[in-house]
Amino acid sequence: DAGVIQSPRHEVTEMGQEVTLRCKPISGHNSLFWYRQTMMRGLELLIYFNNNVPIDDSGMPEDRFSAKMPNASFSTLKIQPSEPRDSAVYFCASSLVAGGFNEQFFGPGTRLTVL
Amino acid sequence: GDSVTQMEGPVTLSEEAFLTINCTYTATGYPSLFWYVQYPGEGLQLLLKATKADDKGSNKGFEATYRKETTSFHLEKGSVQVSDSAVYFCALREGGSEKLVFGKGTKLTVNP
Repeated sequence: DAGVIQSPRHEVTEMGQEVTLRCKPISGHNSLFWYRQTMMRGLELLIYFNNNVPIDDSGMPEDRFSAKMPNASFSTLKIQPSEPRDSAVYFCASSLVAGGFNEQFFGPGTRLTVL
Repeated sequence: GDSVTQMEGPVTLSEEAFLTINCTYTATGYPSLFWYVQYPGEGLQLLLKATKADDKGSNKGFEATYRKETTSFHLEKGSVQVSDSAVYFCALREGGSEKLVFGKGTKLTVNP
């Protein structure tokens, strides 16, 4: 299995530009999570989906952030317009939620730098 | 709300030294507890877990015991190796939710 795939691995952009991060979860998994990691705040859950439906988006910082999951094999996290304080590593994770313990498998992350 | 507090790093040890990374939590219910490890340039990987009080999770020589009375889940290893150098995250998950709450992470460096 290829694991969770994220693209791009690195993104450098200028303030005000639109940024789109992409994630392909592990085949067969039915839940997908977007996290943000910064030195100041650590690792925070932004949003998670179950069966392509957003379940909890309470961690999305503001309206500039949006996430979609059009099908079971693809999700995007969009920032428009981007700001320097959005610079962070963004992780996508997926799991098979089937009762009991459901391990989350993380992708390698996208390092975003907003100048 | 739920929260996880783990010891500040960085931690630097010599090979074969004993490791302890402290973790305490605050939760309204009875959470499951986890340790994740992040190697340089990679995503997080589950290291071990415990789902109820007095459970001991173990993997790759690492251990942690779920202590409800002290709300703690300290990570230990008797003899660390250079390959254990990584960032370690303590996390909790409340029953009925898939949401993980993480501590800020502790960077461990093991020198030969």
